[in-house]
Amino acid sequence: LAKTTQPISMDSYEGQEVNITCSHNNIATNDYITWYQQFPSQGPRFIIQGYKTKVTNEVASLFIPADRKSSTLSLPRVSLSDTAVYYCLVGEGDTNAGKSTFGDGTTLTVKP
Amino acid sequence: DTAVSQTPKYLVTQMGNDKSIKCEQNLGHDTMYWYKQDSKKFLKIMFSYNNKELIINETVPNRFSPKSPDKAHLNLHINSLELGDSAVYFCASSSRGSFYGYTFGSGTRLTVV
Repeated sequence: LAKTTQPISMDSYEGQEVNITCSHNNIATNDYITWYQQFPSQGPRFIIQGYKTKVTNEVASLFIPADRKSSTLSLPRVSLSDTAVYYCLVGEGDTNAGKSTFGDGTTLTVKP
Repeated sequence: DTAVSQTPKYLVTQMGNDKSIKCEQNLGHDTMYWYKQDSKKFLKIMFSYNNKELIINETVPNRFSPKSPDKAHLNLHINSLELGDSAVYFCASSSRGSFYGYTFGSGTRLTVV
């Protein structure tokens, strides 16, 4: 299983762009990269998933370099409500099939 | 119309007791999971069921047993509860071919006293 490493915490201010990087040196050919967001007293919520290059949706962008040994979640113009824990998940198959390892999470604090 | 629902949301019990947590999903997913999240926010998979078959069983104590009466339900039964079992337990589901990864329930906070 690919182990992931993320920063423990990050601080930002409203309106800034936030980039959270996840390292996954042992990523396998079949592995996808998925990011989740978790608010207090809630379960993690899917944000974005990718395999290579760049993926963008209405919430975030995911940048994956050619070697796929890392990935960067980019949150444009964060607000106070983006304060949460962000998890990087690497695993096989397009749904990670339960054989995935959650990273330890990055606690993002957005300040006014 | 909650997608993945767990009950109860909170559970306080004494050491040595046996308890169950129920989980139901109405998404038509074919795989369900139980995760444990400790006080440090680490999420660790415990079990998953695919079409009534256990396909992952991480090294959890055999006091924990998943029970799946059908593919929409995966309950977690815990025997002889210990203080170290205190945590938040999340149920999740997924389906191969789904682009949206796991869908998690809102969690059950278990406190063993």
